[in-house]
Amino acid sequence: DVKVTQSSRYLVKRTGEKVFLECVQDMDHENMFWYRQDPGLGLRLIYFSYDVKMKEKGDIPEGYSVSREKKERFSLILESASTNQTSMYLCATEGREASYEQYFGPGTRLTVT
Amino acid sequence: RKEVEQDPGPFNVPEGATVAFNCTYSNSASQSFFWYRQDCRKEPKLLMSVYSSGNEDGRFTAQLNRASQYISLLIRDSKLSDSATYLCVVTAPEGGATNKLIFGTGTLLAVQP
Repeated sequence: DVKVTQSSRYLVKRTGEKVFLECVQDMDHENMFWYRQDPGLGLRLIYFSYDVKMKEKGDIPEGYSVSREKKERFSLILESASTNQTSMYLCATEGREASYEQYFGPGTRLTVT
Repeated sequence: RKEVEQDPGPFNVPEGATVAFNCTYSNSASQSFFWYRQDCRKEPKLLMSVYSSGNEDGRFTAQLNRASQYISLLIRDSKLSDSATYLCVVTAPEGGATNKLIFGTGTLLAVQP
């Protein structure tokens, strides 16, 4: 059973704070993804990684960075949080040989005040 | 124009009803198609892949019409437990080492007792 965990379910931060969201998977999957989900906009890809220390920009990378130092861990960083980054953040993993099935973590509801 | 478009619903149907959801996608080069299911306040999970010849999984039938760039999901004999948001998903035709997915905003189904 694939397990994808995220560091927090709910997080409240102030504008300008640096925010770290962590994602850990136990399936030895090569590919990892960060999405945000907003009403009416659906899931939008922020960044993804297909190997340790590798990263690729998704559709909305502005204001975010990522880190992948170990295969099982993929971190999303908000360098200076802003109110428009209030959202649900979802991490997902996928094995390279898999048929596009992505496994999602439970999500982090981030509120920036 | 959105890359993947779905009717947001909600679709309110009685138990036992048959309900159909439709989805259109804009990029004719997309190769793979899926339906994901997302329960309220939960993460998305793969429901089924969609093949050109159409495919069935129990009460669920998925169809693909490449010429019209149209995907459908039919649910027969609806159960209360089918209440969820159904996300239409297509692959982004970019190649490379990862499988980028484009998500629709989802169709909300509420099955009434």
